[in-house]
Amino acid sequence: DAKTTQPPSMDCAEGRAANLPCNHSTISGNEYVYWYRQIHSQGPQYIIHGLKNNETNEMASLIITEDRKSSTLILPHATLRDTAVYYCIVSLGLNTGNQFYFGTGTSLTVIP
Amino acid sequence: NAGVMQNPRHLVRRRGQEARLRCSPMKGHSHVYWYRQLPEEGLKFMVYLQKENIIDESGMPKERFSAEFPKEGPSILRIQQVVRGDSAAYFCASSPLAGDTIYFGEGSWLTVV
Repeated sequence: DAKTTQPPSMDCAEGRAANLPCNHSTISGNEYVYWYRQIHSQGPQYIIHGLKNNETNEMASLIITEDRKSSTLILPHATLRDTAVYYCIVSLGLNTGNQFYFGTGTSLTVIP
Repeated sequence: NAGVMQNPRHLVRRRGQEARLRCSPMKGHSHVYWYRQLPEEGLKFMVYLQKENIIDESGMPKERFSAEFPKEGPSILRIQQVVRGDSAAYFCASSPLAGDTIYFGEGSWLTVV
């Protein structure tokens, strides 16, 4: 599995956009980029995933560079409830039996 | 559509006892994954099961730990002769297809005293 590299921690002001980067320079052509987050003492929550194109849903936007070696998760208007550890994961996707391996993630603190 | 259900949420066991953690996947999901999170550490993959089959147990400790996902009923993670180092949060996740997006339950917190 391709490895991912994320900054250990970040701060963001409440109401501002939070941009969380992830490097995955060894990603292969058929690996997806997934983002999850874990709020303290809760189960991880799926946020978004993508292969090549940028993706947006009600929670966030995912921007994947053209060479696919890095991506950015964008929370457009961060709230205090977005304080969590955010995990970037690469996975082969459907019908591959490929497990999701979590790294250490980025601890995002949203500041009032 | 109910999410992944785990029980018990909290379990206290004395050293040497057995712990059984149960996981009911989301409706329509036949793939189950177990993860362990030690205090102040990240999530570690333990085992991946499909109905009646263990697909990947590469993350399971070689002794005392076992998992099953029978044809009927929840998936069970069983820890025999628990030790203090087994104290952790155990998360279950499920997906409808192999390699698909996985969805997590709220976890079972095991404390060994």
